Amino acid sequence: ETGVTQTPRHLVMGMTNKKSLKCEQHLGHNAMYWYKQSAKKPLELMFVYNFKEQTENNSVPSRFSPECPNSSHLFLHLHTLQPEDSALYLCASSLTSGGFTDTQYFGPGTRLTVL
Amino acid sequence: AQTVTQSQPEMSVQEAETVTLSCTYDTSESDYYLFWYKQPPSRQMILVIRQEAYKQQNATENRFSVNFQKAAKSFSLKISDSQLGDAAMYFCAYRSPGSGTYKYIFGTGTRLKVLA
Repeated sequence: ETGVTQTPRHLVMGMTNKKSLKCEQHLGHNAMYWYKQSAKKPLELMFVYNFKEQTENNSVPSRFSPECPNSSHLFLHLHTLQPEDSALYLCASSLTSGGFTDTQYFGPGTRLTVL
Repeated sequence: AQTVTQSQPEMSVQEAETVTLSCTYDTSESDYYLFWYKQPPSRQMILVIRQEAYKQQNATENRFSVNFQKAAKSFSLKISDSQLGDAAMYFCAYRSPGSGTYKYIFGTGTRLKVLA
């Protein structure tokens, strides 16, 4: 596979469930990102990892727990979510070399519904 | 803090016609990057075009071009000869320069409908 892949593509969970989202990039990038996309709102950056180290946590509630075991894989562990957490969760990756061509590449997203 | 504003929630264009999507931003930085991303329904967000702020020349990618007005802090996207496959959400994004991880600031998006 090429690019950035995300699994599952759709997820329905109850508020007491625990689930995980997975992202994998095949681009040789060293940075990975989690975004939340809700209707009629700008993309919200959640977490950023650079060379497996978390460099950004954008005041995300602790019911979202990221994990980055290596530069190619990124997980988002979910527990005791709220209905307002229902959204499209996007993963992205990039090189961090700077410059004009240093661009984020996005995965297809996981559509999460919390009942 | 930087902000990005897309004032058109939805636009429509007739197939083969030209449409312009608007984007304005606010920043105190002198150098930065601007992007337009396209997100088709239920499909992946992809980069359409990018512009570096210190370059005067407007970027062009086939049927897509931008009108970059640095003083006005405006970055509009023009789509020529619109095709049905152009129907999507379009997001304008801002990025600070430099290496390392960095924040993209996205607008709320413009939904483009292409009418046959």
